[in-house]
Amino acid sequence: RKEVEQDPGPFNVPEGATVAFNCTYSNSASQSFFWYRQDCRKEPKLLMSVYSSGNEDGRFTAQLNRASQYISLLIRDSKLSDSATYLCVVKGNDYKLSFGAGTTVTVRA
Amino acid sequence: NAGVMQNPRHLVRRRGQEARLRCSPMKGHSHVYWYRQLPEEGLKFMVYLQKENIIDESGMPKERFSAEFPKEGPSILRIQQVVRGDSAAYFCASSPLTSGSDTQYFGPGTRLTVL
Repeated sequence: RKEVEQDPGPFNVPEGATVAFNCTYSNSASQSFFWYRQDCRKEPKLLMSVYSSGNEDGRFTAQLNRASQYISLLIRDSKLSDSATYLCVVKGNDYKLSFGAGTTVTVRA
Repeated sequence: NAGVMQNPRHLVRRRGQEARLRCSPMKGHSHVYWYRQLPEEGLKFMVYLQKENIIDESGMPKERFSAEFPKEGPSILRIQQVVRGDSAAYFCASSPLTSGSDTQYFGPGTRLTVL
């Protein structure tokens, strides 16, 4: 079983729509959780950290469910510039980041 | 403040040749991590280095791969006798410290193609 699993998509949505997707992780001892964004196989860039209480950053909302070991990301009012691959990333109590394979989102005009 | 730098950005090698990938961490960062991304897969941890020390190489293939981070100069990931399966994007990340909360900042990657 992979450490981090994501629905690869693609999610194809019109501008202004809301899109949401999840990832699941296998290691119950995981301590830190993140969403990264990767454009066209360029370097991953940190989008936001995910906290147990859930957190919001502008149009992006992240949720963590430790009991079920899943993390979600919701994007409201989608923009064309949101088109990217979103990587779910999990870290234990050390330095290793475990990446999902990514969920591709395409926002169309 | 320059970010993490990697070179070359693209590298083409024939089977059996050597590939040398370089990574210069962000200024002030002394911790370097290498990750590999195979096509259609997520990034996989390879190795974690500090200056002159390999801290964790548990993600490195046992043969043909080596890494170093000398006192002076960039970190080097070296792949000897490359095979087609080594074709991938290799990303380097750096952080100032290692702790549960430190963000790793990624370089632009080196795309290795083995012919």
